[in-house]
Amino acid sequence: DGGITQSPKYLFRKEGQNVTLSCEQNLNHDAMYWYRQDPGQGLRLIYYSQIVNDFQKGDIAEGYSVSREKKESFPLTVTSAQKNPTAFYLCASSIRGDTIYFGEGSWLTVV
Amino acid sequence: AQTVTQSQPEMSVQEAETVTLSCTYDTSESDYYLFWYKQPPSRQMILVIRQEAYKQQNATENRFSVNFQKAAKSFSLKISDSQLGDAAMYFCAYRSARYDNDMRFGAGTRLTVKP
Repeated sequence: DGGITQSPKYLFRKEGQNVTLSCEQNLNHDAMYWYRQDPGQGLRLIYYSQIVNDFQKGDIAEGYSVSREKKESFPLTVTSAQKNPTAFYLCASSIRGDTIYFGEGSWLTVV
Repeated sequence: AQTVTQSQPEMSVQEAETVTLSCTYDTSESDYYLFWYKQPPSRQMILVIRQEAYKQQNATENRFSVNFQKAAKSFSLKISDSQLGDAAMYFCAYRSARYDNDMRFGAGTRLTVKP
């Protein structure tokens, strides 16, 4: 099936620890995105990538890092510099300039 | 910056009836896309309907239709014959056709469907 796969669905992070959320798509989309959603809130853009080996910061990039070594993959690392990482994270992809499609999301909780 | 406003934090509808969710947006561009996404309790964002700004005809998808008023920058979603499965958060979204990073979401409207 074509789609966007995020893993893990649930992740727990200890204080001072870096964690990585995986995002893989087989839709042959050039552009990929990471969004953060806090309870009762809309979506905020963390990072986006329009092409392999290139990415740009979104509205709330501080404390996060990404890589885009392959067209299909766009992992997000939540670093220890992110002081309030507990949230729901959504990965998305699109043909440039058109509809954005989303993965099922990942819950990150600090313990 | 482009903004998207959903003025109804919560809406309620009786099963089998019709409900309209409101959305307004602000942009200086002429070419863009508008979307409605549904977010059920599972939290996955599901595309409901898509409208291209240069098309005057309102988009429809089965029980879902939009009223797109470009001059007024208004983009409302009408759900006909509401079903219990329609209960969810609904997000209105704007996307520039020119700038890839320019996609904005409204704060959402929580729709409750009463049996």
